[in-house]
Amino acid sequence: QVQLVESGGGVVQPGRSLRLSCAASGFTFRSYGMHWVRQAPGKGLEWVAVISKDASDEQTADSVKGRFTVSRDNSKNTVYLQMNSLRADDTAVYYCARDLSGEYAFDIWGQGTLVTVSS
Amino acid sequence: QSALTQPASVSGSPGQSITISCTGTSSDVGNYNLVSWYQQHPGKAPKLMIYEGSKRPSGVSNRFSGSKSGNTASLTISGLQPEDEADYYCCSFAGSSTWVFGGGTKLTVL
Repeated sequence: QVQLVESGGGVVQPGRSLRLSCAASGFTFRSYGMHWVRQAPGKGLEWVAVISKDASDEQTADSVKGRFTVSRDNSKNTVYLQMNSLRADDTAVYYCARDLSGEYAFDIWGQGTLVTVSS
Repeated sequence: QSALTQPASVSGSPGQSITISCTGTSSDVGNYNLVSWYQQHPGKAPKLMIYEGSKRPSGVSNRFSGSKSGNTASLTISGLQPEDEADYYCCSFAGSSTWVFGGGTKLTVL
């Protein structure tokens, strides 16, 4: 079945780095753009980043620009989120989501991975 | 990239209809007919309920409908059922390959 599985979350100290992965299965990964969306504990959803299906275009939210980078490896059906210079307010569950092609929405979501930034 | 504005909470009785509003600006909601709505139950991942303002993905009940007027989008749920109790988020394309979410609305089915 169509599935996204995130991994790589954990506890990290402020200023350190972490890389999240999102493994896709059940669909033709190279045909879809992919997003990262996060949710701080008890808070709402925040869009974080997008990468096009062929990695030719990427964009990040202002809140993480210059610190987070999104990438993908279509040979491994995996999208990544490299997070550098982490801050306490980056603490959140990070979801990857599939772009509903041409419709500007997110139709498939992973279960999320928790990132806690704390000393 | 300011968050879209949603009411913090709404409530309704089973069988009733409720509407959740989502107010943005002329740079996002008002400029694109690309608002989507997501349902999130506690501890679960969000689920797409409406896209492009009013389209329903396959498998989503026709009790859910979306609309837009100016800078405000709306989600209407008719014939409320207990399982509709959840958090609901709107999201709009905001240009330049960016998206913005609303703050979320907690729906209580009384």
